[in-house]
Amino acid sequence: GDSVTQMEGPVTLSEEAFLTINCTYTATGYPSLFWYVQYPGEGLQLLLKATKADDKGSNKGFEATYRKETTSFHLEKGSVQVSDSAVYFCALDGAGTYKYIFGTGTRLKFLA
Amino acid sequence: NAGVTQTPKFRVLKTGQSMTLLCAQDMNHEYMYWYRQDPGMGLRLIHYSVGEGTTAKGEVPDGYNVSRLKKQNFLLGLESAAPSQTSVYFCASMGRASEAFFGQGTRLTVV
Repeated sequence: GDSVTQMEGPVTLSEEAFLTINCTYTATGYPSLFWYVQYPGEGLQLLLKATKADDKGSNKGFEATYRKETTSFHLEKGSVQVSDSAVYFCALDGAGTYKYIFGTGTRLKFLA
Repeated sequence: NAGVTQTPKFRVLKTGQSMTLLCAQDMNHEYMYWYRQDPGMGLRLIHYSVGEGTTAKGEVPDGYNVSRLKKQNFLLGLESAAPSQTSVYFCASMGRASEAFFGQGTRLTVV
C-alpha cells in the first residue's frame, strides 16, 4: 500500500542554518504530496503542497519539489528561525482517494 | 470562523469505561477523519467518512466505532477503553481542494 518515509529526528540546528528534511514515498498512481507543521500543543496545519511531478510548493520560506523520478518531496528552508520549532509531517493523498497517509514526523529543535 | 473543534481536550478513563469524542466542523466539508498520534508513529488513520451517513475503516479501527449522522459532526466512540488506547486523537476535515484542517487534539489517558 501507499506509504511515506521521513528522516528520523530530531533535527537540531543553529538559528539561520539551512534546513533539509527528507521525505520519500511509495504510491500507486499519481498522489498529491503535502507538508504539514505541528506547533507545540496544536493540531497540524498545511505548510505547502504539490499536486503533480515537478511542481514546487512554497510557503513562509519553506520549499519542496515533487520529484517523481526519485519519489521524493524533501522540505528545505534557507535560514531557519527559532519560531520554526515544530514537528514537520510529510503526507500523501493517494490519487483522489482523499485518504491521507502521514510520515512519522520530524522534530526541528535549536541549539541553546 | 471556528474551523474544526474537538471536545473534550483532555480525558482520563479507567480500563473498561466508554466515552465519545466529538468533532465538529463549520466548513461544509464532505470528508472527515479520526487519527491517533503516538510517539515515533506519526498519525495513523482510525476511521473516516466521505459524507453524511457514511463511514469506513482506516489503518487501526479495532476498538473504535464512529458515526456521521450530521454532515458537520463526526463522533469517535470507545466502547471499552484499554491502556493501549492512550494517545492523542486528532480529527480533520477536508474539502475538494485536498487541504486537511485539523482540530486541536484530545489527549486521552486510560489507566
